[in-house]
Amino acid sequence: NAGVMQNPRHLVRRRGQEARLRCSPMKGHSHVYWYRQLPEEGLKFMVYLQKENIIDESGMPKERFSAEFPKEGPSILRIQQVVRGDSAAYFCASSRRETEAFFGQGTRLTVV
Amino acid sequence: GEDVEQSLFLSVREGDSSVINCTYTDSSSTYLYWYKQEPGAGLQLLTYIFSNMDMKQDQRLTVLLNKKDKHLSLRIADTQTGDSAIYFCAENRASKIIFGSGTRLSIRP
Repeated sequence: NAGVMQNPRHLVRRRGQEARLRCSPMKGHSHVYWYRQLPEEGLKFMVYLQKENIIDESGMPKERFSAEFPKEGPSILRIQQVVRGDSAAYFCASSRRETEAFFGQGTRLTVV
Repeated sequence: GEDVEQSLFLSVREGDSSVINCTYTDSSSTYLYWYKQEPGAGLQLLTYIFSNMDMKQDQRLTVLLNKKDKHLSLRIADTQTGDSAIYFCAENRASKIIFGSGTRLSIRP
């Protein structure tokens, strides 16, 4: 049973480009969470999704950021028109129910 | 307050016990977690405890929960160099998992 898979592990984008981060949850998990971690800081909640539904997006910036978790395929975190301040590690976690959540290895986004 | 709070640093001698403390915010949180993060890596779930328990032991790890004070602790017995990492306390609050800022554990020889 593979763990939570995130890709790419590292992503470099120029200012103004789009970043697409993918997360494949563990088999049988229908709950996905996205978090952002700035250097030397904790994890900040961004969004919680179940299949085809956004349950809680209270941590998502109002502009440029969106997330989806389609019926088929991975969950996608999309950042449009990236800026330097978007540089961070983005972690995805999945769970079967609202119990223990398992994390992927993260995508490290660098905006140049 | 709004935040899950942890002290930022802890230094212990190899072989001693480490105790990492955390104060959480929501008395209705059903699950409380401890995660470990090594440099450049993701978060590893170490253990979790249901809110109706007051203690959970798993090999070298002991979790204590004081629900009245909303205080959670993680004790690592016989701390080893491989335990050097950042340890995050987290609570399940209204379907979100909210993290503290992490405690950086360093081991002295």
